[in-house]
Amino acid sequence: AQTVTQSQPEMSVQEAETVTLSCTYDTSENNYYLFWYKQPPSRQMILVIRQEAYKQQNATENRFSVNFQKAAKSFSLKISDSQLGDTAMYFCAFMKQGTGNQFYFGTGTSLTVIP
Amino acid sequence: SQTIHQWPATLVQPVGSPLSLECTVEGTSNPNLYWYRQAAGRGLQLLFYSVGIGQISSEVPQNLSASRPQDRQFILSSKKLLLSDSGFYLCAWGGRVLTDTQYFGPGTRLTVL
Repeated sequence: AQTVTQSQPEMSVQEAETVTLSCTYDTSENNYYLFWYKQPPSRQMILVIRQEAYKQQNATENRFSVNFQKAAKSFSLKISDSQLGDTAMYFCAFMKQGTGNQFYFGTGTSLTVIP
Repeated sequence: SQTIHQWPATLVQPVGSPLSLECTVEGTSNPNLYWYRQAAGRGLQLLFYSVGIGQISSEVPQNLSASRPQDRQFILSSKKLLLSDSGFYLCAWGGRVLTDTQYFGPGTRLTVL
């Protein structure tokens, strides 16, 4: 079974600073995908960034980047130049390759950006 | 572009009453469809997924069931709600290609009293 662990239930960061959210996962699969989703107070789930496990290069989307360590099964999210709109719950997710492409989510990290 | 709809947005039901939540997707064909539940302060738990009409896979045993009567329609049901069924229910769709991600609907907040 796949498990995803986010060990930081809550975090805060000053506006314009950088913050890193941690995620670890456990799987016996070799081909998989990892994601970070953002859930603001509206509760709409929004895709932030995606990483293919077969790619060594870390994914980057504007102010968001990941540090993917496959051997350590670690997938952290770095948010640079934090903005007030980044305040949200952040979920790490693992997608297993196969029929249905099921996702498995961590319990989330609540991030507050302080003005 | 693709859009995903869920209704109702909010629902308050008594214990023992039936449930029907609906999800529809526009702008795509033959998607994978998913139902998740998010309990208060917790992550998302995958309940059901479907790779085609009439094809339902259940991830966890529970009081709920799902059906897919049409290609882009996914329904979550219960014959008798329990207090523990309260939560935020999210529907999502994903493509068939392994590189595809999942896109979520706006969710339904269910309170069972």
